Amino acid sequence: DAKTTQPNSMESNEEEPVHLPCNHSTISGTDYIHWYRQLPSQGPEYVIHGLTSNVNNRMASLAIAEDRKSSTLILHRATLRDAAVYYCILVQTGANNLFFGTGTRLTVIP
Amino acid sequence: KAGVTQTPRYLIKTRGQQVTLSCSPISGHRSVSWYQQTPGQGLQFLFEYFSETQRNKGNFPGRFSGRQFSNSRSEMNVSTLELGDSALYLCASSLLGKQFFGPGTRLTVL
Repeated sequence: DAKTTQPNSMESNEEEPVHLPCNHSTISGTDYIHWYRQLPSQGPEYVIHGLTSNVNNRMASLAIAEDRKSSTLILHRATLRDAAVYYCILVQTGANNLFFGTGTRLTVIP
Repeated sequence: KAGVTQTPRYLIKTRGQQVTLSCSPISGHRSVSWYQQTPGQGLQFLFEYFSETQRNKGNFPGRFSGRQFSNSRSEMNVSTLELGDSALYLCASSLLGKQFFGPGTRLTVL
């Protein structure tokens, strides 16, 4: 399975934008880029996913590099509730098996 | 719609016993995946069921098994429990590429 690389941890001030990077240089043409997050004491939560074009939803935006070897999850205004571990995962088309890495632990500072 | 539910939420067993965990997916979701989360190994994919058939399997020993019923509810079974099986077991149901996770079952093996 194609692998992703993320920073272990990041910090952000409350109400400021956060850019969470992810490298996936071995991505294949049929791999979707998924982001999930896990808040303390909860199961993971779907955030966003995309294939080639940038994507927006009510939670976040996903910016995908033109060569698809990297992507960035953007939280437009971080809140304390956004403190979580964020996972960037490559998922083959039609697959439902997620291979989680170690993710990025986001700390939001009030 | 009700979310993914898992029962029981907490379980204590002793080495050598077996355990069965249950997962009820979101209504209309036909795919159910199971994951194990431990502090040392993180989140690991166990298996996925779709329409009562195992579609994908992770790298776990045969002591870990599962099944899915015609109403999409799923069970996973772990036989001959070992101390290292202590973990949070999460299930997720899927629709249109998004996975929705339950709160998990915390299994402690003494």
